[in-house]
Amino acid sequence: QIELQESGPGLIKPSETLSLTCTVSGDSIRGSNYYWGWLRQPPGMPLEWVGSVSSSGSTYYTPSLDSRLIISLDTSRNQFSLKLTSVSAADTAIYYCARVRGANWFDTWGQGTLVTVSS
Amino acid sequence: DIHMTQSPSTLSASVGDRVTITCRASQSVDRWVAWYQQKPGKAPKLLMHDASDVEGGVPSRFSGGGSGTQLTLTINSLQPDDFAIYYCQQYSSYPWTFGQGTKVDIK
Repeated sequence: QIELQESGPGLIKPSETLSLTCTVSGDSIRGSNYYWGWLRQPPGMPLEWVGSVSSSGSTYYTPSLDSRLIISLDTSRNQFSLKLTSVSAADTAIYYCARVRGANWFDTWGQGTLVTVSS
Repeated sequence: DIHMTQSPSTLSASVGDRVTITCRASQSVDRWVAWYQQKPGKAPKLLMHDASDVEGGVPSRFSGGGSGTQLTLTINSLQPDDFAIYYCQQYSSYPWTFGQGTKVDIK
């Protein structure tokens, strides 16, 4: 059974770079037919798609974050990661990693990790 | 971006009720919509994709319909486990976008 687990800092200062990792178990991201994605949800707010990466490394980002965002794969560790530069309070959210089926919908989610941007 | 608007924002219902949540898109999304259920403190759970293709393990009381700019999620005979927030998501065109959510609570 596939499981995803996010890891990263719970607190980060404004202007710093946020780095999160999603470790996948129970499935191999190498050569997979699935995409792998990141989403976020500010407390009490709706979900926002952040970006996705295919098993071949092609990336798709939401335009509002495109200039600050990098999503990448580490197939040797069966992980994928998110780097978001120049964070501000507006980036405070629960960040979820997810498996993306059909490149389109999110069929398996991590438990989420709360990231707070504050000095 | 395609804007997804859900109605109602909050729905108060009783166990056994039939409830319908509507998701309206700012432009046609055909049937390229998924629905999720989210409970407090938990990650969302996929209920269905392609408007009406229900995931394995999801109770048969959940159904989806519609196409174009109006999609619906219906729960027949609401159960205590169904009180949650429901989100629609379009994947007709990037960026993928979600509705603002519909909270189903106990009347």
